[in-house]
Amino acid sequence: DTEVTQTPKHLVMGMTNKKSLKCEQHMGHRAMYWYKQKAKKPPELMFVYSYEKLSINESVPSRFSPECPNSSLLNLHLHALQPEDSALYLCASSQSRVRMNTEAFFGQGTRLTVV
Amino acid sequence: DQQVKQNSPSLSVQEGRISILNCDYTNSMFDYFLWYKKYPAEGPTFLISISSIKDKNEDGRFTVFLNKSAKHLSLHIVPSQPGDSAVYFCAASIIQGAQKLVFGQGTRLTINP
Repeated sequence: DTEVTQTPKHLVMGMTNKKSLKCEQHMGHRAMYWYKQKAKKPPELMFVYSYEKLSINESVPSRFSPECPNSSLLNLHLHALQPEDSALYLCASSQSRVRMNTEAFFGQGTRLTVV
Repeated sequence: DQQVKQNSPSLSVQEGRISILNCDYTNSMFDYFLWYKKYPAEGPTFLISISSIKDKNEDGRFTVFLNKSAKHLSLHIVPSQPGDSAVYFCAASIIQGAQKLVFGQGTRLTINP
């Protein structure tokens, strides 16, 4: 089982709304990621959690707030977004082994539209 | 500064023939490379990977070749099938506190019957 589940699949929100994206995996992976993908562009890393601790923040604006409540769940809290934040948001997970690279498995993504 | 480059935005191949997708990278600190396949509005699907200590890895119809001195890798698909039509992303991995993947721009592969 290499499944990463993201909800919702689609989200439309106003610029004053607060919403959350959710991601879940049951592969025992201890690294979880948020990526953002704009149309016709490659995925770009936003955040990495390793063993439930934030390890990497790629200078993402504070209107995006990640949270890792436990080893299976990853949330992305959204507040006061701009229309240019509209994109496909991808969650991924991988084994987290010190000094070792492994495959990362992606969810289906949440298509976010900010109006 | 684009550290991972896929210089061919698109590639068209006849069904049954070989598809070769190319990827170049600039950062010699990358030590693990992955290929992903992606359909529109879906997440990338992992295909195959290779460690920098190897020069070839094979999995069924998919083979990845790595030339470290040239900082170049390629994905070979043999034989190509219509279901292989998708966007293929090359990704390079580096450990900086945690594993980071840097993606190339992608190549759209179309398999013609």
